[in-house]
Amino acid sequence: QKEVEQNSGPLSVPEGAIASLNCTYSDRVSQSFFWYRQYSGKSPELIMSIYSNGDKEDGRFTAQLNKASQYVSLLIRDSQPSDSATYLCAVRRDDKIIFGKGTRLHILP
Amino acid sequence: GAGVSQSPSNKVTEKGKDVELRCDPISGHTALYWYRQSLGQGLEFLIYFQGNSAPDKSGLPSDRFSAERTGGSVSTLTIQRTQQEDSAVYLCASSSMGPRSGNTIYFGEGSWLTVV
Repeated sequence: QKEVEQNSGPLSVPEGAIASLNCTYSDRVSQSFFWYRQYSGKSPELIMSIYSNGDKEDGRFTAQLNKASQYVSLLIRDSQPSDSATYLCAVRRDDKIIFGKGTRLHILP
Repeated sequence: GAGVSQSPSNKVTEKGKDVELRCDPISGHTALYWYRQSLGQGLEFLIYFQGNSAPDKSGLPSDRFSAERTGGSVSTLTIQRTQQEDSAVYLCASSSMGPRSGNTIYFGEGSWLTVV
């Protein structure tokens, strides 16, 4: 089992709708969880971080963490064409931050 | 500096040559990370520095890869006898404290390496 798993997509969502991105992780002792956005040819940039169970909201973005299910998600409300990118889930395990392979999101105008 | 700076931004090298990639982290950041991203793939962890020491080198793909950090600042990643499978973008990131603090890591723009 991969340490951090994401559906590679592409996930196509109409403009204005909610995009839901999911991630599972294998190591129960993981402590910190991150969502990064990566545009083609660019380096990743942090969208959200979450450390405790529940929801964390920041503008149009909501991160959700369920440690019992080893599941973390990112919701993007009112999706915009500029949200089209690859979204990387990352998990801290010991001194490493492990990334998933990312989900390609395409917002349809 | 204002952000993580990496050089060169692009490098084309012949198979068998050695290459050196440089990373200058955000000023004051003690933690520094190297990742590799092949085309269309996720980020592969290579090595992490806290200050000048590297607690975890397990991600380095082979003994052709080495990294060092001096003065708690600039780091160099060296690839000896490059192979075509080494072609990738090499991303450096830094944070103000180690990952156990949960601090955010900030990425540079990467060094794009092509081995021909």
